[in-house]
Amino acid sequence: EAQVTQNPRYLITVTGKKLTVTCSQNMNHEYMSWYRQDPGLGLRQIYYSMNVEVTDKGDVPEGYKVSRKEKRNFPLILESPSPNQTSLYFCASSSSGELFFGEGSRLTVL
Amino acid sequence: SQQGEEDPQALSIQEGENATMNCSYKTSINNLQWYRQNSGRGLVHLILIRSNEREKHSGRLRVTLDTSKKSSSLLITASRAADTASYFCATDEAAGNKLTFGGGTRVLVKP
Repeated sequence: EAQVTQNPRYLITVTGKKLTVTCSQNMNHEYMSWYRQDPGLGLRQIYYSMNVEVTDKGDVPEGYKVSRKEKRNFPLILESPSPNQTSLYFCASSSSGELFFGEGSRLTVL
Repeated sequence: SQQGEEDPQALSIQEGENATMNCSYKTSINNLQWYRQNSGRGLVHLILIRSNEREKHSGRLRVTLDTSKKSSSLLITASRAADTASYFCATDEAAGNKLTFGGGTRVLVKP
């Protein structure tokens, strides 16, 4: 089954404790992207990747890092999480414009 | 800043009625897409309309695009309770490699 898998789905952490949200897709898509969704602000793009070893900033990249060492994986790294990074995060992939989304990762930073 | 702005922000209708929502955007686009999101879940792609297309249908969905007005509409005909969700437009900007989402329209279909 074609899917985008994110882990963890839910996480509560504390300020400053590094964390990684993993994202994996099994559709051989070249394009992958991370979004965050906040009430009243819609979905905002954090980072995207056009292919392996090619990443670029989206609209809200501050406080986040990504890597794309393999085509299927696109982890989102929060080196030193802060409370303003409490949000619902979505990973998505695409080959022809249409985005396939993961189920989301709800992150709370205390 | 958001490229797409949906209108209305929320919509409540009876089952069987039609639901119409609009999306306006600011810059030139390659295509415009509509997505549905059930509460707290991932977004699901509904339909894509290219900049050289004016209307597209998919089942009970009808999408129009007016590039001169920089606007699009999504019509859901004969709505069902299962159509209750948030609907987002997303624009594939001609000048970049990204899809920019609007704030969404929350649709409630009452049985």
